[in-house]
Amino acid sequence: GAGVSQTPSNKVTEKGKYVELRCDPISGHTALYWYRQSLGQGPEFLIYFQGTGAADDSGLPNDRFFAVRPEGSVSTLKIQRTERGDSAVYLCASSLQGFNEQFFGPGTRLTVL
Amino acid sequence: SQQGEEDPQALSIQEGENATMNCSYKTSINNLQWYRQNSGRGLVHLILIRSNEREKHSGRLRVTLDTSKKSSSLLITASRAADTASYFCVSHGIQGAQKLVFGQGTRLTINP
Repeated sequence: GAGVSQTPSNKVTEKGKYVELRCDPISGHTALYWYRQSLGQGPEFLIYFQGTGAADDSGLPNDRFFAVRPEGSVSTLKIQRTERGDSAVYLCASSLQGFNEQFFGPGTRLTVL
Repeated sequence: SQQGEEDPQALSIQEGENATMNCSYKTSINNLQWYRQNSGRGLVHLILIRSNEREKHSGRLRVTLDTSKKSSSLLITASRAADTASYFCVSHGIQGAQKLVFGQGTRLTINP
């Protein structure tokens, strides 16, 4: 499709488990962003990639969170030793370099039991 | 970018009425964007207004920007049920970072 896609759409896991969330940006978009959103709040920035490198990872809450974008296209957000507080909707967005408008995917709803 | 503060936090109107939401920000900006989020279409960019623009239109949307007051407003005319959503403003500084910083938004409900 033409938009940003994210898989899975829903993920239920147990406390302490490892999860991977995938984002497929719009073709040709060099910038990719991860946000997470808790109920009733606006999205919160996690990390921004320009190409393959993380240009800004200041939003990652701790070292359990890690993201990669090895070929400058698809990105994976990895969360180790999940905690109940990690439950949220994880949003991915992409944009053209130099443009502020971001295009968001439908999100992955992560539930940690 | 910097966080905008949307006002009101919640707004409920009848279908067909106009809806106005406001946004305030703290430092000088290069541009300001409005986004909408609903369960059907997710988070979607609506409109971007640059610091040298005072007003911009897109369909039933009208955005104004007052840089002297560091504020913006979003007007939706002839509201429809499909306009029910949360609306967020995000402003970018002169050397703003690429990330978007969201506030809590305005929750708009259109009643039939």
